[in-house]
Amino acid sequence: GAVVSQHPSRVICKSGTSVKIECRSLDFQATTMFWYRQFPKQSLMLMATSNEGSKATYEQGVEKDKFLINHASLTLSTLTVTSAHPEDSSFYICSARGQSGTEAFFGQGTRLTVV
Amino acid sequence: AQSVTQLDSQVPVFEEAPVELRCNYSSSVSVYLFWYVQYPNQGLQLLLKYLSGSTLVKGINGFEAEFNKSQTSFHLRKPSVHISDTAEYFCAVSEAGNQFYFGTGTSLTVIP
Repeated sequence: GAVVSQHPSRVICKSGTSVKIECRSLDFQATTMFWYRQFPKQSLMLMATSNEGSKATYEQGVEKDKFLINHASLTLSTLTVTSAHPEDSSFYICSARGQSGTEAFFGQGTRLTVV
Repeated sequence: AQSVTQLDSQVPVFEEAPVELRCNYSSSVSVYLFWYVQYPNQGLQLLLKYLSGSTLVKGINGFEAEFNKSQTSFHLRKPSVHISDTAEYFCAVSEAGNQFYFGTGTSLTVIP
């Protein structure tokens, strides 16, 4: 299957700082990328969907000014958690889908801890 | 929006025993169905998928699933589990490959 690389895998940051998470499709062009958040022992919660070159579509309840998503190229999308707080600590996962794809491929996830 | 139900949050099973993880979805329109496995602190790995055709789908690691349209189910099965199958399993539904809807997950624990 196609490969999606997510970086970093773990990050610890101080409260009030910003953190950027990268999601790259290594061997295909990702026209659509999805960003999820996962709390312990829970399922994936879709945060936003982004199409290359367009603004991301955020799910209800997700603060777009806090979770900035950029999908500037067909192989890279970034999620920036701005002014992070301890309650933002979570596991964030991206997935990518090609133009003709029927499935999405997932990154390895990023464990964010805000102290 | 789709609704995906995984009734069993935790399934303990002895090694080499068979297992079935249940998944039901809500939509009556054409959907794509997926099972993913997640190991601790990792992303999701695709086990198998149903897009069309044969209702019995075979995936990796000896898993298979059967699509039942009348019951809107897509249960995952394995005839003989191994210790290494201990993980979290997620059922997902997608309408024509667009947004994915995930179930709440089933934690499979294989007991030696």
